[in-house]
Amino acid sequence: GNSVTQMEGPVTLSEEAFLTINCTYTATGYPSLFWYVQYPGEGLQLLLKATKADDKGSNKGFEATYRKETTSFHLEKGSVQVSDSAVYFCALGYSGGGADGLTFGKGTHLIIQP
Amino acid sequence: DAGVIQSPRHEVTEMGQEVTLRCKPISGHDYLFWYRQTMMRGLELLIYFNNNVPIDDSGMPEDRFSAKMPNASFSTLKIQPSEPRDSAVYFCASSLPSYNSPLHFGNGTRLTVT
Repeated sequence: GNSVTQMEGPVTLSEEAFLTINCTYTATGYPSLFWYVQYPGEGLQLLLKATKADDKGSNKGFEATYRKETTSFHLEKGSVQVSDSAVYFCALGYSGGGADGLTFGKGTHLIIQP
Repeated sequence: DAGVIQSPRHEVTEMGQEVTLRCKPISGHDYLFWYRQTMMRGLELLIYFNNNVPIDDSGMPEDRFSAKMPNASFSTLKIQPSEPRDSAVYFCASSLPSYNSPLHFGNGTRLTVT
């Protein structure tokens, strides 16, 4: 079956540090890949997505590139802020994230210290 | 756009009691999903609906769990009887049917069964 593996957290960084959160997946066919973010007390929100190999998704300074050869979709940001503190979920799906739901990783808790 | 609305935000109940969680999806969204989030298992898809019809309920853990969608603007997830291991945050999400449509999550219901 499909699965998503993320690096264990929490990840603690200082403000303005470089961020990488690793994500690898196992899937058949050609899934779309997503990063969702969950702020305290809220539901998940789509952060960025990529629908085919070598696509780069980007939003709010975050980027991730769909690497089929390494089955990875690592999340990066050049300079993190305290407001980026949240839980980040990597996910895959086959209908753009709508029609059949998504398979999520367990989430990585990111803590940014001032 | 009011977003996906879930109620209640918090529910505390005793083992053996019936629990009903409610969800109002975004107007015009044809897909509705129920997820459960725990520390141990992360985010699990329980069931999803398309046009009010249940499509896949393979994630529903036991017969104690049931979900309905009587119309396009309302869904319920019921647990009867509830058990302490059902304690989790339950999320409802909705989406459009088109390719690349993201999931829109509600803020969740935190269920505690004592």
